Amino acid sequence: DTGVSQNPRHKITKRGQNVTFRCDPISEHNRLYWYRQTLGQGPEFLTYFQNEAQLEKSRLLSDRFSAERPKGSFSTLEIQRTEQGDSAMYLCASSLGSGGAEAFFGQGTRLTVV
Amino acid sequence: DAKTTQPNSMESNEEEPVHLPCNHSTISGTDYIHWYRQLPSQGPEYVIHGLTSNVNNRMASLAIAEDRKSSTLILHRATLRDAAVYYCILRSHNNDMRFGAGTRLTVKP
Repeated sequence: DTGVSQNPRHKITKRGQNVTFRCDPISEHNRLYWYRQTLGQGPEFLTYFQNEAQLEKSRLLSDRFSAERPKGSFSTLEIQRTEQGDSAMYLCASSLGSGGAEAFFGQGTRLTVV
Repeated sequence: DAKTTQPNSMESNEEEPVHLPCNHSTISGTDYIHWYRQLPSQGPEYVIHGLTSNVNNRMASLAIAEDRKSSTLILHRATLRDAAVYYCILRSHNNDMRFGAGTRLTVKP
């Protein structure tokens, strides 16, 4: 197992375009999280899944953002009509359960909106 | 949303111990205390976690106050590779993985 994989690593897009990121968690991990991180800040929680169910969404997740985790395996995060303020690092993490479970993070997808 | 308070930055000399504090006065009985660190241009990585008792692993030690309202991450001998942002977070089944600003640790040679 090679850990949490995120693709692409970098994405440059024009304002107004749609983008989709993919996260492949560690096998058997039932929890999957998405975060957004801007320079100098800690990761901001966006949403998380338990298996295929999306259990919580942050207020940061506007209607332009949508996340899915079909069949409880990989997950996608889509941003529609991108804005310059969407430029950030998007991080994915997975864990087997919560509470005392260790979470594993991917290397992130860096989005630049021009 | 973060329920922990950490100093913005700390400095340490190489080969010396480092004590990184975290306050979590509103911790509930089901909250685990987790520490993660983030090196430049990388995703956060797990360091250690605990519930009530002190914990040791190959990376660090975690000292938890008796009332659980604070904890301290201890790096026994800081190296240049330990320079990172360290995050203290609370995690339970219903309160999961909110990060604050963390503590930026600088290690001087």
